[in-house]
Amino acid sequence: DAGVIQSPRHEVTEMGQEVTLRCKPISGHNSLFWYRQTMMRGLELLIYFNNNVPIDDSGMPEDRFSAKMPNASFSTLKIQPSEPRDSAVYFCASRLAGGPKDTQYFGPGTRLTVL
Amino acid sequence: QQQVKQSPQSLIVQKGGISIINCAYENTAFDYFPWYQQFPGKGPALLIAIRPDVSEKKEGRFTISFNKSAKQFSLHIMDSQPGDSATYFCAASGTSGSRLTFGEGTQLTVNP
Repeated sequence: DAGVIQSPRHEVTEMGQEVTLRCKPISGHNSLFWYRQTMMRGLELLIYFNNNVPIDDSGMPEDRFSAKMPNASFSTLKIQPSEPRDSAVYFCASRLAGGPKDTQYFGPGTRLTVL
Repeated sequence: QQQVKQSPQSLIVQKGGISIINCAYENTAFDYFPWYQQFPGKGPALLIAIRPDVSEKKEGRFTISFNKSAKQFSLHIMDSQPGDSATYFCAASGTSGSRLTFGEGTQLTVNP
């Protein structure tokens, strides 16, 4: 089991640029979560999907953020345009609802720095 | 009502000592309380979890104590080891592992 895969692991970009973060959930999992982690705000849920459908995006900071899940094995989180305050570690997590180990498994994260 | 309050923010313990981290919640609909462990540069990983039908759960050196009436739960790490040095997050959700609400995190340092 490869676990949750995120890419890139590190991203440095300039203010105003578009940033796309990618996530491949664990095969067979039916829920996917995007989190943001900062020192000031801790671990925040941005959005989550069940069976590829967005269920709750109330944590998405503003319209500059968007997330998609075109199929069960891939999701993207896009920031356009990026701002320095978006600098954070972004985690993707997946879960098999109702399974024997019904919990969220986190990826290694993408460290985003916006200059 | 969705908040989970965690304390202390940081904790330093000597090797062999007991580490205790506390969390409190308000939402009585929460019915799943996991603890996650996060090492630097890694994502959080499930350590141990409890449901409110029991007051304690133990897995090796790690124990969760749960007080439903007080709406509090705590993590106890017995015989703490330097390898336990990490950030610990408590969390809560209303349905198993869906939509976890995380505490602020506790940075634990275990000195050799």
